[in-house]
Amino acid sequence: DAGVTQSPTHLIKTRGQQVTLRCSPKSGHDTVSWYQQALGQGPQFIFQYYEEEERQRGNFPDRFSGHQFPNYSSELNVNALLLGDSALYLCASSSLPSSGFRWEQYFGPGTRLTVT
Amino acid sequence: DAKTTQPPSMDCAEGRAANLPCNHSTISGNEYVYWYRQIHSQGPQYIIHGLKNNETNEMASLIITEDRKSSTLILPHATLRDTAVYYCIAAQIQGAQKLVFGQGTRLTINP
Repeated sequence: DAGVTQSPTHLIKTRGQQVTLRCSPKSGHDTVSWYQQALGQGPQFIFQYYEEEERQRGNFPDRFSGHQFPNYSSELNVNALLLGDSALYLCASSSLPSSGFRWEQYFGPGTRLTVT
Repeated sequence: DAKTTQPPSMDCAEGRAANLPCNHSTISGNEYVYWYRQIHSQGPQYIIHGLKNNETNEMASLIITEDRKSSTLILPHATLRDTAVYYCIAAQIQGAQKLVFGQGTRLTINP
């Protein structure tokens, strides 16, 4: 089992550009959550996807959007990048009670985004 | 989501028990206490969770006070590989299970 995978590992973008990050959940998981982790801080919840819909959203602007595909993989899109968007972006997968729930969320290694 | 408070840093000698405290005085009845840790440059890793009873698994033990206002994560025989940031989180088990991370405790295991 490959666990949660994310791509790319590192990314450098310029202010104003757009970026897409990708996540494949752990086998058997159907729910994907995205977190942003600034340097020296704990991860901050961005949003969660289940059944290809956004179920819950944290306090992030509309520049942050996502998508979940039928195979449960997910993308995080950030438009009009700001310097403050530089962070480690983490994807976590889990399953809900209706589909064989387990308590923990499994995190991927993250994508390090640098905005210059 | 209840707020949790943890000491910013702790040290422990290798081979000794590491006891990490967490205060969650505003925890509600349907919120569980979760512990995750994050080793440098990796994603957070689930350790253990509990509601009101003490819990133990292959990684750690979780002691929750009777009033549920605080808890302690115990690593019984700490190794150098246990050096990490440990996060205590209060989260509902129903619904989207959003995890609200605080600053965590940076635990350093010394040889």
